[in-house]
Amino acid sequence: QVQLVESGGGLVKPGGSLRLSCAASGFTFSDYYMSWIRQAPGKGLEWVSYISSSGSTIYYADSVKGRFTISRDNAKNSLYLQMNSLRAEDTAVYYCARVGIASRMDVWGQGTTVTVSS
Amino acid sequence: QSALTQPASVSGSPGQSITISCTGTSSDVGGYNYVSWYQQHPGKAPKLMIYEVSNRPSGVSNRFSGSKSGNTASLTISGLQAEDEADYYCSSYTSSSIPLVFGTGTKVTVL
Repeated sequence: QVQLVESGGGLVKPGGSLRLSCAASGFTFSDYYMSWIRQAPGKGLEWVSYISSSGSTIYYADSVKGRFTISRDNAKNSLYLQMNSLRAEDTAVYYCARVGIASRMDVWGQGTTVTVSS
Repeated sequence: QSALTQPASVSGSPGQSITISCTGTSSDVGGYNYVSWYQQHPGKAPKLMIYEVSNRPSGVSNRFSGSKSGNTASLTISGLQAEDEADYYCSSYTSSSIPLVFGTGTKVTVL
């Protein structure tokens, strides 16, 4: 069964750090690009970051560039998002997703909630 | 890169057809056939409904169809059912500094 499971969310103070993880199973993880997408409370989807299958190509949304770092460990079938200098506006549910051909995101995790508040 | 523009809400009665638009530019929707549509029920993860403008993944009802004209893509839901009530988002590959952009989202209400 193809599955993505996020973890690592929680409550953090402004300026703090958090590392999200996404465990993949049921498919050959190393064959796929992966992405992080977030959704602030009551808001729409916002693409956050994107990493190629080998990890050699990475993109970030302007809103997180310089603060967030995406990475992957193909041996562990895992995707990560290191989030530093967190702000209140980073409060959201964070989803990881498998990126297929033509940029379609065909498998999504259940999401993990990040709350940035003092 | 700005979000793609979608109507905030669309409604219809059971059995009717509705269409949701997704307007971008020649750098995204108009320039590539890489438009996808996602359905999201409250508290749930998004689900891929359409990819590459008009293709349905296995398991998605054929009541859902997609098309594109110029810089505007569209999702049509025919034979509207209560279970179709959800938020819908389009996305597109872009040639800008970031590779992907989502639409603003549309809430579909079944009357």
